[in-house]
Amino acid sequence: DVKVTQSSRYLVKRTGEKVFLECVQDMDHENMFWYRQDPGLGLRLIYFSYDVKMKEKGDIPEGYSVSREKKERFSLILESASTNQTSMYLCASSGTGDSYEQYFGPGTRLTVT
Amino acid sequence: GDSVTQMEGPVTLSEEAFLTINCTYTATGYPSLFWYVQYPGEGLQLLLKATKADDKGSNKGFEATYRKETTSFHLEKGSVQVSDSAVYFCALTSPYNFNKFYFGSGTKLNVKP
Repeated sequence: DVKVTQSSRYLVKRTGEKVFLECVQDMDHENMFWYRQDPGLGLRLIYFSYDVKMKEKGDIPEGYSVSREKKERFSLILESASTNQTSMYLCASSGTGDSYEQYFGPGTRLTVT
Repeated sequence: GDSVTQMEGPVTLSEEAFLTINCTYTATGYPSLFWYVQYPGEGLQLLLKATKADDKGSNKGFEATYRKETTSFHLEKGSVQVSDSAVYFCALTSPYNFNKFYFGSGTKLNVKP
């Protein structure tokens, strides 16, 4: 079974703090993704990476950066957390194949106060 | 552009009732189609998929058939259980850009005993 793990299920941070969300997958997948999920807005892609050290902006990259130093690990960084970044953050990975289905981690619910 | 439209919820059913959640899509060419399920407080889990027209995806009693002529991928289950209560997402990925997933807005299913 594909396993995608995220470093924290729940996280509370203060405005202005630097926040790191970590994601690890164990299936040797090339592609990794960060989404945020908000009520009424669905899933929105923040960044994705198709190879080590490679990244591309998604639909809402502002206020975020990412790092992929190893194939299995993809980090999302909030340089200076703000209250409007309070959300559920979902990491996903996908390999190459006939359908490129994405496999998701359990999510991190981040609250910025 | 590509998009997915699914029926709004919530859908409330009694245990053992028949379930249909409608999903239609707009896409160029032949996308791959997916249903994901999200249980409360969890990430998304891949429920089933279909990669070409007339394919039927199935898993855990759920089924969906890829209908190119009606651009639909409706989710069905013959007899729902309380444990099926969750949010269901229809999604597609384009054959021209497998890294881009388009998700529907999600349909919440409540099953009452």
